[in-house]
Formats: sequence, C-alpha cells, structure tokens
Amino acid sequence: EDQVTQSPEALRLQEGESSSLNCSYTVSGLRGLFWYRQDPGKGPEFLFTLYSAGEEKEKERLKATLTKKESFLHITAPKPEDSATYLCAVQPNTNAGKSTFGDGTTLTVKP
Amino acid sequence: DGGITQSPKYLFRKEGQNVTLSCEQNLNHDAMYWYRQDPGQGLRLIYYSQIVNDFQKGDIAEGYSVSREKKESFPLTVTSAQKNPTAFYLCASGRDWDYGYTFGSGTRLTVV
Repeated sequence: EDQVTQSPEALRLQEGESSSLNCSYTVSGLRGLFWYRQDPGKGPEFLFTLYSAGEEKEKERLKATLTKKESFLHITAPKPEDSATYLCAVQPNTNAGKSTFGDGTTLTVKP
Repeated sequence: DGGITQSPKYLFRKEGQNVTLSCEQNLNHDAMYWYRQDPGQGLRLIYYSQIVNDFQKGDIAEGYSVSREKKESFPLTVTSAQKNPTAFYLCASGRDWDYGYTFGSGTRLTVV
C-alpha cells in the first residue's frame, strides 16, 4: 500500500526565515510526486510535479527536490502570504488513477 | 475562464437522508475525482472516473455513489449508509497525469 508521511505537521516561521518541509513516501513504483498548496476552506492548488531522483523545480520562493525515498519543499525568505497548508502526493506506476496524499504541513509565516 | 465548479458550498443533511454534491468542469479533462478531507488530515479518494460511463472505487467508497454520464459532470451522492459524512468534499479533474489535478472550491457537508 502506498504511503505518504509529511513532517512537521505545523511550522511557524518569522518572515525571511528559510526552512524545509519533508515528504517521505513508499510506493511500489513512482510515476510522479506532486506538491500542492491549500488555503483554508479552498481546494488545493497544484505547484510541482517531480519524476525522478535528483530532480529539482522552482517557483518564486519555493524549490522542490526529490530523492528515492523523500521530497523536500524548501522555502527561501518566506513572506506572510506563503502561509498555507502544503500537501504532497504520489502517483504510482501501477494505477494511473490513484494519487495518495499526505496529511500536509501547515505553514504560518509571521511578519 | 475554465475551471471546476462545485455546488453547493455548504450543505446540511439530516440523519437518514441521501444528498448529492455537484461537480462540473469545462476544462475538457477526461479524468475526474472525488476526495474527502477531514480536519487536519490529507485527502482520501472516494471514487474516480477516467472516461465517460466508467468509474472505479477509491479507498473509502462505502456509503457513496457516483455517475459519469457526461464528460463535464461527476456528481457524488452521499447515502444514508455513510455513517460519518461530515467532512469537506473536493472534486478534481486531470488532463495528463503529470500536470497534477485541478480542484474545485469544495463542499462542506454537515450532518444535523
């Protein structure tokens, strides 16, 4: 069974204080790993897809990296508007329809 | 603008009632999904459909039913057999798997 574990559950940062969120996964064969951002009371918004170990993708203050067992979402010099819940999901090779999501990390950035 | 529309935004259900949540997309996506989200938790897959007139059970399908008669529409019925239906329900669609999903704004269902 595919599993995704995100840590920490919650992270509080001061504006400008860089940090990383972790997503550990087990999957029979990884087709892709996704990162989403979710604001309170709204649906998740797609951020990145990573396909293979060693891959990196960037978007503004966010950079996602992937190894064979985990992914990191690095946040550089965060701003209060980066406050949200960040969700990680994996899509296996064996079942194209089923992405498994982690429970998310709730990030709060204080000004 | 293209997107996914979920309605209603808030829904209240009495014990023993069936309720139907609407999901419509104009993105021309083949695949559509229903997820359930409980407080502080991630998304759990209820049902998904990769083509019209076909759908598969997800991890927590018991007490739910769906139909996919049109490409644009994927309604979810929460039946009285679902013992703990209070949750935030999210509908999503996907074009190609590696572009991720596009989500609707969700329906918050409460049992009263």
